[in-house]
Amino acid sequence: ILNVEQSPQSLHVQEGDSTNFTCSFPSSNFYALHWYRWETAKSPEALFVMTLNGDEKKKGRISATLNTKEGYSYLYIKGSQPEDSATYLCACSMEYGNKLVFGAGTILRVKS
Amino acid sequence: GAVVSQHPSRVICKSGTSVKIECRSLDFQATTMFWYRQFPKQSLMLMATSNEGSKATYEQGVEKDKFLINHASLTLSTLTVTSAHPEDSSFYICSALGTGTANYGYTFGSGTRLTVV
Repeated sequence: ILNVEQSPQSLHVQEGDSTNFTCSFPSSNFYALHWYRWETAKSPEALFVMTLNGDEKKKGRISATLNTKEGYSYLYIKGSQPEDSATYLCACSMEYGNKLVFGAGTILRVKS
Repeated sequence: GAVVSQHPSRVICKSGTSVKIECRSLDFQATTMFWYRQFPKQSLMLMATSNEGSKATYEQGVEKDKFLINHASLTLSTLTVTSAHPEDSSFYICSALGTGTANYGYTFGSGTRLTVV
């Protein structure tokens, strides 16, 4: 059974702060790690998909790293802005096209 | 980019009635559709996977006769909650995988909040 855990559950930061979240997953039978940004009443927005150990991806102020050997991924947000406020989900799949198993998400609130 | 339109976004129904939720892929062909459910403060949990033209595969503990999934075309999948009861009140969301999307791309609908009274 694939169990994905995210921490922290929620985070409140001031505008301009940098922050990071963790996603942990079993390192065996791993295929891909997905990060999504989810705003209320909208569809989850895909941020990154990573498959290889050591992968690092960046999109503007947001970046992510992947360690498949120890089973974790970090998502970093540099200089948080109020518009970054959302729930950040990570999910794993064990093979291409297979179901995603989600963590419970990290709720980020950025105060101006 | 790939878009999945999900309707309704919110529905309130009486206990014992059935509710249909639709997910349409607007600019790509959804060969596979995943249906998830989320209870408060919990993860999105997969209910079933459907491939176009085939019967859905349900996860353990999900009643296939209660949650009817139809994926008759490459652009439309529906989830019908039959004889809904208050314990079926939850957030339901679809996710599509198909041709025309980026590699590994799963495209989500915006979800449906079901309240059974």
